Amino acid sequence: NAGVTQTPKFQVLKTGQSMTLQCAQDMNHNSMYWYRQDPGMGLRLIYYSASEGTTDKGEVPNGYNVSRLNKREFSLRLESAAPSQTSVYFCAAAIAGQGSEKLFFGSGTQLSVL
Amino acid sequence: QKEVEQNSGPLSVPEGAIASLNCTYSDRGSQSFFWYRQYSGKSPELIMSIYSNGDKEDGRFTAQLNKASQYVSLLIRDSQPSDSATYLCAVNSDYKLSFGAGTTVTVRA
Repeated sequence: NAGVTQTPKFQVLKTGQSMTLQCAQDMNHNSMYWYRQDPGMGLRLIYYSASEGTTDKGEVPNGYNVSRLNKREFSLRLESAAPSQTSVYFCAAAIAGQGSEKLFFGSGTQLSVL
Repeated sequence: QKEVEQNSGPLSVPEGAIASLNCTYSDRGSQSFFWYRQYSGKSPELIMSIYSNGDKEDGRFTAQLNKASQYVSLLIRDSQPSDSATYLCAVNSDYKLSFGAGTTVTVRA
């Protein structure tokens, strides 16, 4: 039982390149999230998906797109990477509803944009 | 204004002492509160959740919630070197979690 799996673990991009971060969960949870973590700023929500077929913007969505491919998979795409997107990205999954969101995180992707 | 504020730290405590971490939040409608622990280079892991006013104890950890004051705290009793990590306060609002910037705790032997 892997929980939440993210790929890749590390990536270096040049400004303007595009890439997709992949996330899959085997916990059968409804909600999935993408966060970025920068020094001194904690975790900031980029996008989330409360259930299969729905996605919503979080706190910092600019420059990103997401796809909830099915219940298991939630991908994050950078169409034209910028140095400001250098960060550690975490995918997370949770059982939705009842105001009780206990997140289970993937191991993270460290992205550098040069 | 940031939704979730934590005491910035870093916090250094001797082994065996109590570490006290504080968190305030802005959304009065929040109903669920969490503490996550994050070791350096690792992903956050949930250590405590609290939903009602008062104290909740789990082993050496005690979470305290005061909704009227919009305040959540975490006490770590008998601190161990393995408790050295960054602790993130998280507050549920509209079915999304907002995180504080974290407090880094160092337990010195």
